[in-house]
Amino acid sequence: QKEVEQDPGPLSVPEGAIVSLNCTYSNSAFQYFMWYRQYSRKGPELLMYTYSSGNKEDGRFTAQVDKSSKYISLFIRDSQPSDSATYLCAMSRGETSGSRLTFGEGTQLTVNP
Amino acid sequence: GAVVSQHPSWVICKSGTSVKIECRSLDFQATTMFWYRQFPKQSLMLMATSNEGSKATYEQGVEKDKFLINHASLTLSTLTVTSAHPEDSSFYICSASGVRRGGGLYNEQFFGPGTRLTVL
Repeated sequence: QKEVEQDPGPLSVPEGAIVSLNCTYSNSAFQYFMWYRQYSRKGPELLMYTYSSGNKEDGRFTAQVDKSSKYISLFIRDSQPSDSATYLCAMSRGETSGSRLTFGEGTQLTVNP
Repeated sequence: GAVVSQHPSWVICKSGTSVKIECRSLDFQATTMFWYRQFPKQSLMLMATSNEGSKATYEQGVEKDKFLINHASLTLSTLTVTSAHPEDSSFYICSASGVRRGGGLYNEQFFGPGTRLTVL
């Protein structure tokens, strides 16, 4: 069993829709949770970064972490065609700066105009 | 967020030659840098972790003599693919973490734009 499970999709939604992306994990030692966006042939771009359980909002993006369920989510409101990309969840124990990240497989999202 | 650059963005080389890829942190001190490899439609595969001034730690199955990593300064790490072969063709991405501007440490990693290597 993988430490981090993420549905690879593909996920296709109309412009303006609310998108929900999710990951589950098995290692209770994970403390830091990240969402990265990766466009084709580009490096991942950090979207959201959260520590432990709770919610964090940044513009159209909301990240949620539920450590009791070992479940994290990323919500995208008013989705735009420019949001079309692969979204990777990542997490770490965070004992030191730059701890090793464990990634999900990534979910490929297409937002149709 | 912090900025990481990579050079070159793409490279084509002949089989048997060596290729060097540079990874730079532009606006922070990168005490730790990571090198990843990514195949099409797959997630990132960690190859090695390097701390400034120390030898890199390679993941199981990654040949250290083939993928030479040097992290000689707090802003630069290099990956050299030695005697490259077609099976080494891939997308190589670095990431970095370290000291925040103004003090404190980053827990998150910041990625470079990647280098596409094609070995003929």
